[in-house]
Amino acid sequence: NAGVTQTPKFQVLKTGQSMTLQCAQDMNHNSMYWYRQDPGMGLRLIYYSASEGTTDKGEVPNGYNVSRLNKREFSLRLESAAPSQTSVYFCASRTADTNYEQYFGPGTRLTVT
Amino acid sequence: KQEVTQIPAALSVPEGENLVLNCSFTDSAIYNLQWFRQDPGKGLTSLLLIQSSQREQTSGRLNASLDKSSGRSTLYIAASQPGDSATYLCAAGGGGFKTIFGAGTRLFVKA
Repeated sequence: NAGVTQTPKFQVLKTGQSMTLQCAQDMNHNSMYWYRQDPGMGLRLIYYSASEGTTDKGEVPNGYNVSRLNKREFSLRLESAAPSQTSVYFCASRTADTNYEQYFGPGTRLTVT
Repeated sequence: KQEVTQIPAALSVPEGENLVLNCSFTDSAIYNLQWFRQDPGKGLTSLLLIQSSQREQTSGRLNASLDKSSGRSTLYIAASQPGDSATYLCAAGGGGFKTIFGAGTRLFVKA
């Protein structure tokens, strides 16, 4: 059972470099999410996609872009990385039933120097 | 704006003790409250989910309760074990596909 997968697991970037974080889910969920987790803080929502073809900003969208490639895949792009984007990034998807339960990927640990 | 607070931030208990983790939220208009476990360097694992119409959920040694009127949820862990050591996060699911997370309680169970 793959669930939610993320690549890469670790990444080191220099300031100004760009990269794309990949996320895929095999649970046929409609909605998908990108969060960042920083020490001492809860997870903060960057962007979400309620369904294929739609994306919306979350709490901290600045410096990021997303693409909902199809129902399975939701990618997060950093166009010009900054040290403030050093964080652990989690992708999640949510059930479409009334439980609205979220399932998380293993995370990507990103360091920007 | 929804805010979720977890107290205490860290907790250390001897093995075998029963314990309660607390979660409070400011906006009672939630559709669910979810408890997660996070091991160091890992993702989040869902433990229990309580829908807004429910009062509690149980899974093994875990029991989660929800009181929307007071803006509180508790996670009760019975007969704690060293393997329970982890960070526990609560998350309040609200409208607009948004879920707000607490900062977590870091639990250490001593053998």
